[in-house]
Amino acid sequence: DQQVKQNSPSLSVQEGRISILNCDYTNSMFDYFLWYKKYPAEGPTFLISISSIKDKNEDGRFTVFLNKSAKHLSLHIVPSQPGDSAVYFCAASASRNNDMRFGAGTRLTVKP
Amino acid sequence: DVKVTQSSRYLVKRTGEKVFLECVQDMDHENMFWYRQDPGLGLRLIYFSYDVKMKEKGDIPEGYSVSREKKERFSLILESASTNQTSMYLCASSLGGRASTYGYTFGSGTRLTVV
Repeated sequence: DQQVKQNSPSLSVQEGRISILNCDYTNSMFDYFLWYKKYPAEGPTFLISISSIKDKNEDGRFTVFLNKSAKHLSLHIVPSQPGDSAVYFCAASASRNNDMRFGAGTRLTVKP
Repeated sequence: DVKVTQSSRYLVKRTGEKVFLECVQDMDHENMFWYRQDPGLGLRLIYFSYDVKMKEKGDIPEGYSVSREKKERFSLILESASTNQTSMYLCASSLGGRASTYGYTFGSGTRLTVV
């Protein structure tokens, strides 16, 4: 039973437009959320995170929004660039734990 | 440049073979993890370790074991490889305490094919 779900396996957007990647979770103990980016033949790399005490965290073109009541988070990329084309994984962790759970990933394609 | 190194990029093994996947990190991290990545399923946690000689089962430990004799090295062992263990295997490490606070550093992965 996946505790972190990314229901869109793929997303295609035009360069310069906004990309919105969504993630849902079921475990109410999760209180820290992260997004990772993965290029082919490379391991995932950390992109941005958010603690459950916040509802928004921004880093340059990347913003993560958290809706705790809906157990939903989203990653916004504005403006999208062709170099953003990759697989994006949502991940979640509970305070006491050392381990993290990942979603299935969304493949983002940004077209020039 | 700190990193996590997985010893093999590609491996092809026969059904029933014992397979060792090695992972080494040079960041003096306490925590180390093994995940497998499969299409539509994302990254699933197999085992993790928060200290030398310590191990914890993840979500899918069946058919796998691990060894952590030294802080920098975490080995994943397939006792008797089967075709359903064909996958991309990713090793990661993180500082002690809450992994989420620091995030993970991943290796580049080992693509294992069992024939």
